[in-house]
Amino acid sequence: DAKTTQPTSMDCAEGRAANLPCNHSTISGNEYVYWYRQIHSQGPQYIIHGLKNNETNEMASLIITEDRKSSTLILPHATLRDTAVYYCIVRVAGGNQGGKLIFGQGTELSVKP
Amino acid sequence: NAGVMQNPRHLVRRRGQEARLRCSPMKGHSHVYWYRQLPEEGLKFMVYLQKENIIDESGMPKERFSAEFPKEGPSILRIQQVVRGDSAAYFCASSPPGSTANYGYTFGSGTRLTVV
Repeated sequence: DAKTTQPTSMDCAEGRAANLPCNHSTISGNEYVYWYRQIHSQGPQYIIHGLKNNETNEMASLIITEDRKSSTLILPHATLRDTAVYYCIVRVAGGNQGGKLIFGQGTELSVKP
Repeated sequence: NAGVMQNPRHLVRRRGQEARLRCSPMKGHSHVYWYRQLPEEGLKFMVYLQKENIIDESGMPKERFSAEFPKEGPSILRIQQVVRGDSAAYFCASSPPGSTANYGYTFGSGTRLTVV
C-alpha cells in the first residue's frame, strides 16, 4: 500500500503557482520523497525528489517539513500542459537493490485558463 | 541518448493467445521495473529485474505472467493465454546500477494491450 496521502483533485489558474500537498507521517529516516506526474495515459515522468532539505530544479520546487511528515510540490507558474495526475511516493534509495515505487491514487491537477 | 523504449505501442490479442511486451532500458541502466495500469486505475508494480535476475516479483500474478531480462537484449514481459482482464497499459521503467539516491526512474511510453 502507498504510504502517502494526497488530495484527490485540485484546480489551479494558468500562470499561478500550483501547490500540491502530500502527507507521509510514517516516513522512515532513510526514505526519500519522490514526485512523478502522468499526463493523460503517457508514461509517468520524474519531477523531483528529496530527503530532508528543500529542493529545486527546472520543473518544480519541493518543500519538506522539518519533521518530514509532509511535503509540498510547487509548480511556480502552472501552464495548461501541467494538467496531469501528480504522485507523491516515499521510497528507500541507495545500494544496489534499487527499490520499487509504490504509486497511490495521486492528485489530479487541472490547470484552467 | 534514447529513453526507455517499449514496443509495440499497441498490441491486440485474441483471448487465449500470447502477448510479448518488450522494454529496452536507457543506455547504462541495468535495473528494469514493470508496471500495469488498468483502465481508470493507478499504476501497480509487477516485477523488478536486474540483468539475468528477478529481484522482486511480488506484484506479478501467480499464473500466466512471466518476465525476463537477459544478459543481451530487451526485457520481456510475457502473458500466456490472455484474457479480457489483461487489457491494460503496461509501463516499463529503468534506473542505473549502484546508489539510486540521485535518480528517479525513467519510464517508457507504455504498451497498450487490448484483448478481444
